[in-house]
Amino acid sequence: KNEVEQSPQNLTAQEGEFITINCSYSVGISALHWLQQHPGGGIVSLFMLSSGKKKHGRLIATINIQEKHSSLHITASHPRDSAVYICAVSSNTGNQFYFGTGTSLTVIP
Amino acid sequence: DADVTQTPRNRITKTGKRIMLECSQTKGHDRMYWYRQDPGLGLRLIYYSFDVKDINKGEISDGYSVSRQAQAKFSLSLESAIPNQTALYFCATSDPRQGNDEQYFGPGTRLTVT
Repeated sequence: KNEVEQSPQNLTAQEGEFITINCSYSVGISALHWLQQHPGGGIVSLFMLSSGKKKHGRLIATINIQEKHSSLHITASHPRDSAVYICAVSSNTGNQFYFGTGTSLTVIP
Repeated sequence: DADVTQTPRNRITKTGKRIMLECSQTKGHDRMYWYRQDPGLGLRLIYYSFDVKDINKGEISDGYSVSRQAQAKFSLSLESAIPNQTALYFCATSDPRQGNDEQYFGPGTRLTVT
């Protein structure tokens, strides 16, 4: 059983499309993280949120604590957004991170 | 310069060999982690350390050991490598005093055991 589930696993979009990636979790959390992993392998943190909504440029992350669900939205997608997007949660025990298996996004010009 | 560095970046080794992967950070964070990433499985925690004297096993610690030589250094060892330890290994750091426990990842080490 995975503590963090993401959907879809793979996503192909045309440049300019609005993209949504979903994340559901089953444990109590102190925070939820969205990470981006580029083909070279490096992982960077996009968002850390514990409630509501955050926005950085064309990226928007939302979380619904009651429903244990988060979404990552990309507006006006671009080929450079092609990457694997990983949802992770830090448990409210403070000692564990749980990761989803990632969503592989390809944006076609 | 990168805040979290890992050496080597790539390594091919034979079954039964001892391997050490090293991680260094300049962020001044107390917490350090070692993860492995396998296709379709996501990142899994191997060991974590909340300070120099605190080492804890993660989800998949069997076959691995660690050493926290200093606040800035956290090494992962495979005492006798086996092929199913072929994976991408990431070191990460965090500092809960920042109020968010955000993780900062190194660039990864791609290890192949033949």
